[in-house]
Amino acid sequence: EVQLVESGGGLVQPGGSLRLSCAASGFTFSRYWMHWVRQAPGKGLVWVSRINSDGSGTSYADSVKGRFTISRDNAKNTLYLQMNTLRAEDAAVYYCARTTYGAPEYWGQGTLVTVSS
Amino acid sequence: DIVMIQTPLSSPVTLGQPASISCRSSQSLVHSDGNTYLSWLQQRPGQPPRLLIYKISNRFSGVPDRFSGSGAGTDFTLKISRVEAEDVGVYYCMQATQSYTFGQGTKLEIK
Repeated sequence: EVQLVESGGGLVQPGGSLRLSCAASGFTFSRYWMHWVRQAPGKGLVWVSRINSDGSGTSYADSVKGRFTISRDNAKNTLYLQMNTLRAEDAAVYYCARTTYGAPEYWGQGTLVTVSS
Repeated sequence: DIVMIQTPLSSPVTLGQPASISCRSSQSLVHSDGNTYLSWLQQRPGQPPRLLIYKISNRFSGVPDRFSGSGAGTDFTLKISRVEAEDVGVYYCMQATQSYTFGQGTKLEIK
């Protein structure tokens, strides 16, 4: 059974940093592209970042470029999102997702990031 | 950036009746490899999103056959042949042809 479990969310002050993790199991993690998608309370889905299967290629939404870094450790079956210089508008539930043919097939339950002083 | 526009934003439907959601992209979603990377997702209240349809019309594993997708180029449609109570939630289209973009979401509710 495919499982994605996010962790690392919490309360952080504006300008602060946070590192999210997504632990994968039930599939060969190193074969799949992975994504981070966020959802502010009561709002829609917003794509944040993606990384290819071996970690050599990444892309970001303009809103997070230069502040967020996606990475992965295929030996540990774990995806990461390093978030720096956090802003109030970054507050959201962050989901990791596995994609095939560009479609997000499997999602984690999400981890909540709150940015407030 | 490709913009995805969904209509309607809210859809009250009677149980057992059909429902339809449209999604229009600001430019063609046909990739240089010939595929069209348009997906539909469902998000039930309090749940993470769930993939329903990928590449316009392919149902994902375990998705009931009352869900179907169609379209081409810039215009796409998700149809539910007979709405059931468990279909309540928000539906999103998503493109992965040029970066990734979601539609605003369409809330499906029962009349």
